[in-house]
Amino acid sequence: NAGVTQTPKFQVLKTGQSMTLQCAQDMNHNSMYWYRQDPGMGLRLIYYSASEGTTDKGEVPNGYNVSRLNKREFSLRLESAAPSQTSVYFCASSFPGQENNEQFFGPGTRLTVL
Amino acid sequence: QQPVQSPQAVILREGEDAVINCSSSKALYSVHWYRQKHGEAPVFLMILLKGGEQKGHDKISASFNEKKQQSSLYLTASQLSYSGTYFCGTWGFGNEKLTFGTGTRLTIIP
Repeated sequence: NAGVTQTPKFQVLKTGQSMTLQCAQDMNHNSMYWYRQDPGMGLRLIYYSASEGTTDKGEVPNGYNVSRLNKREFSLRLESAAPSQTSVYFCASSFPGQENNEQFFGPGTRLTVL
Repeated sequence: QQPVQSPQAVILREGEDAVINCSSSKALYSVHWYRQKHGEAPVFLMILLKGGEQKGHDKISASFNEKKQQSSLYLTASQLSYSGTYFCGTWGFGNEKLTFGTGTRLTIIP
């Protein structure tokens, strides 16, 4: 099992460019999440999907959109990148019930917006 | 609201003990602990549930004081492999999402 995979691993964008971060999991998890991690800020939830076909906003959703393509895949899109979106992005997945189930994280995407 | 972790950083010699604290301003249903090594993804350690149930790691212990809305992670006889940043995540009541603290950086030196 690969667990949670993310592509790309690194990306440099110019302000105003768009891109999509891809995430896939092979653990048959219903729930998937996108976090961003900035120095000194911990992990902040951008969007999550409790199950296939549903998505919901997290703590910092502005400037992002998501698509739950199927049970395995959950993508994060930046329509018009800004320097404030420079961060490390982690995708995670879990069984239903975020309150009492562990999350499995992908290796992360390191994004720089110039 | 983000839970508060203390200390922000700690340096220990191998074999020493460490305690990392996590406090919330609201009533909690569960507290989650993760460890992240530099340049890697966070890895699950344990979950402490209201009522005392605990799920997770067998070499690291933790407590959850529901009344005080606090949790503590206990790392005994620390090993070099314990180095990393430890995050707590808290889950309250109602339409909640897991909220992570800003982390505690633990450095173990030989």
